[in-house]
Amino acid sequence: RKEVEQDPGPFNVPEGATVAFNCTYSNSASQSFFWYRQDCRKEPKLLMSVYSSGNEDGRFTAQLNRASQYISLLIRDSKLSDSATYLCVVMGIIQGAQKLVFGQGTRLTINP
Amino acid sequence: NAGVTQTPKFRVLKTGQSMTLLCAQDMNHEYMYWYRQDPGMGLRLIHYSVGEGTTAKGEVPDGYNVSRLKKQNFLLGLESAAPSQTSVYFCASSPTEYSNQPQHFGDGTRLSIL
Repeated sequence: RKEVEQDPGPFNVPEGATVAFNCTYSNSASQSFFWYRQDCRKEPKLLMSVYSSGNEDGRFTAQLNRASQYISLLIRDSKLSDSATYLCVVMGIIQGAQKLVFGQGTRLTINP
Repeated sequence: NAGVTQTPKFRVLKTGQSMTLLCAQDMNHEYMYWYRQDPGMGLRLIHYSVGEGTTAKGEVPDGYNVSRLKKQNFLLGLESAAPSQTSVYFCASSPTEYSNQPQHFGDGTRLSIL
């Protein structure tokens, strides 16, 4: 079983739609959780951290359920510029260093 | 705002050739990482460093070596390139091990081994 699993998609949704991504992780000792965004042929960039209480950043809402080891990302009122691959990332500490474990990513295309 | 810089951006090698990928960061970060990304897969950690003069193996270290002689630089070496090492390589850095300061990535090196 992969440490971090995501539905690879692709998701094709019309502009203005709401879209949700899910992610599960296997290591219950994981400490921190993030969503990264990766555009085609570009480096991953941090989209947002995910907190246990849930957190929102504009049109983006992230939630974490530690009991179920489940992370989600909701995008409201989607824009064409939201088209990208979204990476679920789980972090722990090994030998004093961060260990980021990446999901394979969910590809999203917003259609006009 | 250079951040994390990787050189070269692209390279084509023949099987058996050697090369070194350079990662440089100007943020005074202690921690540096090398990842590879293959189609349909997430990033996988090759090697990492928790400070100048230290290196450690990640998830997929075989066929690679690294060095961190200066705090700002992290080098990834391929001693004898193999087609299986065709990939996109990303370097990253982070200021500390703390969880609210995730890694900053360079823009990648696309490497093809023929």
